[in-house]
Amino acid sequence: AQSVSQHNHHVILSEAASLELGCNYSYGGTVNLFWYVQYPGQHLQLLLKYFSGDPLVKGIKGFEAEFIKSKFSFNLRKPSVQWSDTAEYFCAVKTPSGYSTLTFGKGTMLLVSP
Amino acid sequence: NAGVTQTPKFQVLKTGQSMTLQCAQDMNHNSMYWYRQDPGMGLRLIYYSASEGTTDKGEVPNGYNVSRLNKREFSLRLESAAPSQTSVYFCASIGTVNYGYTFGSGTRLTVV
Repeated sequence: AQSVSQHNHHVILSEAASLELGCNYSYGGTVNLFWYVQYPGQHLQLLLKYFSGDPLVKGIKGFEAEFIKSKFSFNLRKPSVQWSDTAEYFCAVKTPSGYSTLTFGKGTMLLVSP
Repeated sequence: NAGVTQTPKFQVLKTGQSMTLQCAQDMNHNSMYWYRQDPGMGLRLIYYSASEGTTDKGEVPNGYNVSRLNKREFSLRLESAAPSQTSVYFCASIGTVNYGYTFGSGTRLTVV
């Protein structure tokens, strides 16, 4: 079964700092990749997704992610974070055999201090 | 508003009690899912329904049952609640994977 690893459980940044959250998955075939965000007390919302084509994917709120197949990675980036980016971020992967079921990483809690 | 609706939002149960968590979507999605979210564990799939009339176990199905009542509704039942089932439960649906999941707002369940 596939698995998803998020390297950092907690990240603390100051406003305007750059962000990179790591995500690695353990499936050797074709995958669909997602990043979701969960703001405090809310449900998960889709930030961005990768299916095919350009490995650099742009999402909402200035986030982007780069798919590097050789490294089985899909890292999330943002050049300059804001206090409002404080949230938990989840990487997820779908494999072709999964009936659209997603496997999620354990999440990274991002705290941005003003 | 179109989306996934979960009820109740909060629930406290005593050990051994039963309850059903309700989920309904109005987006005509075929597939629906139940996940539980625990601190440091991410989201883990309990059960899913790829289409009306079918259900399958996910990663952590023990202690739960589900019913896909119709295309709109997918309920999760705890027959005899245990403290280990204290969690936040999310229902999700998907029409086409290209658009990702749509999640409900969650049910926070505490079993004492």
